[in-house]
Amino acid sequence: GAVVSQHPSWVICKSGTSVKIECRSLDFQATTMFWYRQFPKQSLMLMATSNEGSKATYEQGVEKDKFLINHASLTLSTLTVTSAHPEDSSFYICSAKDRESGANVLTFGAGSRLTVL
Amino acid sequence: AQSVTQPDIHITVSEGASLELRCNYSYGATPYLFWYVQSPGQGLQLLLKYFSGDTLVQGIKGFEAEFKRSQSSFNLRKPSVHWSDAAEYFCAVGAPDDYKLSFGAGTTVTVRA
Repeated sequence: GAVVSQHPSWVICKSGTSVKIECRSLDFQATTMFWYRQFPKQSLMLMATSNEGSKATYEQGVEKDKFLINHASLTLSTLTVTSAHPEDSSFYICSAKDRESGANVLTFGAGSRLTVL
Repeated sequence: AQSVTQPDIHITVSEGASLELRCNYSYGATPYLFWYVQSPGQGLQLLLKYFSGDTLVQGIKGFEAEFKRSQSSFNLRKPSVHWSDAAEYFCAVGAPDDYKLSFGAGTTVTVRA
C-alpha cells in the first residue's frame, strides 16, 4: 500500500534556529501534500496545502513566512519552521494523495515531534 | 463550512466488550466521511471511509460505521474490542473531490483488562 515517510520523527532545537521536516511518498507520486499541526490531546489543524511545482496554499491564521513549504518533486515536500520558538513546539503530520488514485484517500505520515527549547 | 463533532472525549471499555464512538458532521450536501486511528506518537491510519452507496461500511480491524443522513452522524462500532484498540480515534469530513479534511477533536479509547 501507499506509504508516507516523515523525517525526522523527533527533533529538538534551540530557540531562534530553523528546522526542516521532510515528507516523502515512498511508492507513489503525490501532486498534493498536506501539512497538519497537532497539539497534545487535540485534533489535527490543517496548516497548508503543498502543490508540486507551485506555491503552497496556507490556511487562515498560518504564517507563511514562519512555516515555509516547498514541494519540489512529486515525492517530496518539506516544511521549514523558521526562527523557531517554544510556542512552535508541536506534532507536525503530513499527508499525501496518490495522483493515480481517483478516490479521496490520503495517506498520512507518522508525524514529526518538534520541541523548541 | 464543514465541521465534525465527537461528543465523547474519553471512553473506557472492557476487553471483549462492544465499542461505539459517536461522530456528528455539518455539511451542506453528502460528505465524504472517514474514521482514522492514531496510536501514541504515530500518524493516522485509515479505518474506513464512506463516499456513497451502502450506508453501513466495513473497515479494517473489525470496525464498521453507519452513515445516517437524517442524524448527520457517522458512528463507529466494534463488536468486541481488543487491548490493541486502545488509541485515539478521529472522525473526519471532506467535500467530494476536495482533499482538505476537517477533523473532530478525537476520542481517546482506553481498554481495561
